[in-house]
Amino acid sequence: DVKVTQSSRYLVKRTGEKVFLECVQDMDHENMFWYRQDPGLGLRLIYFSYDVKMKEKGDIPEGYSVSREKKERFSLILESASTNQTSMYLCATSTPNSPLHFGNGTRLTVT
Amino acid sequence: EDQVTQSPEALRLQEGESSSLNCSYTVSGLRGLFWYRQDPGKGPEFLFTLYSAGEEKEKERLKATLTKKESFLHITAPKPEDSATYLCAVQGGGFQKLVFGTGTRLLVSP
Repeated sequence: DVKVTQSSRYLVKRTGEKVFLECVQDMDHENMFWYRQDPGLGLRLIYFSYDVKMKEKGDIPEGYSVSREKKERFSLILESASTNQTSMYLCATSTPNSPLHFGNGTRLTVT
Repeated sequence: EDQVTQSPEALRLQEGESSSLNCSYTVSGLRGLFWYRQDPGKGPEFLFTLYSAGEEKEKERLKATLTKKESFLHITAPKPEDSATYLCAVQGGGFQKLVFGTGTRLLVSP
């Protein structure tokens, strides 16, 4: 079974802080994704990566950046956290011919 | 622009009462339609992929079907453990960029 591990289940940060969300997968999948999930809006794609050091913007990249230095690890960075970034953040992985497999999410609160 | 609309937003059933969830979509060049189940506080769990109109897939009490405009998730004789949010997503021409609906919250009472 694919295991996608997100480093924190819950996180509380202050406005203006730099925030790092970490995601690690154990299945050697090429593709990794960051989504955020908000009530009434569903899952929205922030960034994705199809290879080490490669990254592509999703639908809502503003205020975020990502890093993929190793194949198994994909980090989401909030450069200066704001209250409108309070959300559930979900990491997912896949191969070109497999469905997305999700981690259990990080619920981030920015105060 | 690819779009997915799920209905109803919430559905309450008695144990054993069969029903269907709807996923209507518009997409330029469907490459796959996906169903996921999400339990509270957890990430979505993959259920099915459908690729072309007329295709059907089954897993235990769940059956997914696909037409050119919508997909249905049929739940036969549901049990309380089927309670969850069910998410539908489509993949169009882009690189595995799924567009998700907002989900249907299903509650099955004993």
